[in-house]
Amino acid sequence: DARVTQTPRHKVTEMGQEVTMRCQPILGHNTVFWYRQTMMQGLELLAYFRNRAPLDDSGMPKDRFSAEMPDATLATLKIQPSEPRDSAVYFCASGPIAGGPKIVETQYFGPGTRLLVL
Amino acid sequence: AQKVTQAQTEISVVEKEDVTLDCVYETRDTTYYLFWYKQPPSGELVFLIRRNSFDEQNEISGRYSWNFQKSTSSFNFTITASQVVDSAVYFCALSDLNTGTASKLTFGTGTRLQVML
Repeated sequence: DARVTQTPRHKVTEMGQEVTMRCQPILGHNTVFWYRQTMMQGLELLAYFRNRAPLDDSGMPKDRFSAEMPDATLATLKIQPSEPRDSAVYFCASGPIAGGPKIVETQYFGPGTRLLVL
Repeated sequence: AQKVTQAQTEISVVEKEDVTLDCVYETRDTTYYLFWYKQPPSGELVFLIRRNSFDEQNEISGRYSWNFQKSTSSFNFTITASQVVDSAVYFCALSDLNTGTASKLTFGTGTRLQVML
């Protein structure tokens, strides 16, 4: 049963500290997404990658957030420095190779990283 | 711009009742995909169904069924004979090809379903 994995599952940190969240997409999936979920904003797309290349990170605060895919089995989301308003659940999702130019594949979500910045 | 509206913020039903969760979407594209996800109290997002804009057939999977109507831009989700384990937040989502080469999802705000004994 292939699943997206995320670490850590929970993180409590102090304002100003660096936070790194990791995601292992489902093997063979070539698209990776980072979402943030808060009570106020709901689910928001932060960034996504296809074949490890960043396609869009317009949803991400550029001054403090960065997303990378060092290899096909690892995606990272970093916040530096963290702020209390970054407290949220961060989800990673992966999707398989699209079956055609007009086809949108399903995204499968990981369990999320619950971040609390004090 | 694409938009998904789930007008029902919270629904409470008694076990064994049928319940329908509404989803209304907006898009200018003629090719798009609609999804439903379930978020149980444990927090993960579980994929339930994906439907493309060219397939208006309704779908049934066990106690779950989906009614897709392009004429009203709706993709409603019905749970028959609800059970306590159905208690969760349910999200409807839309992806259209105006957003570029990858599958960006726009989520609704979710409907919290509580099934009571």
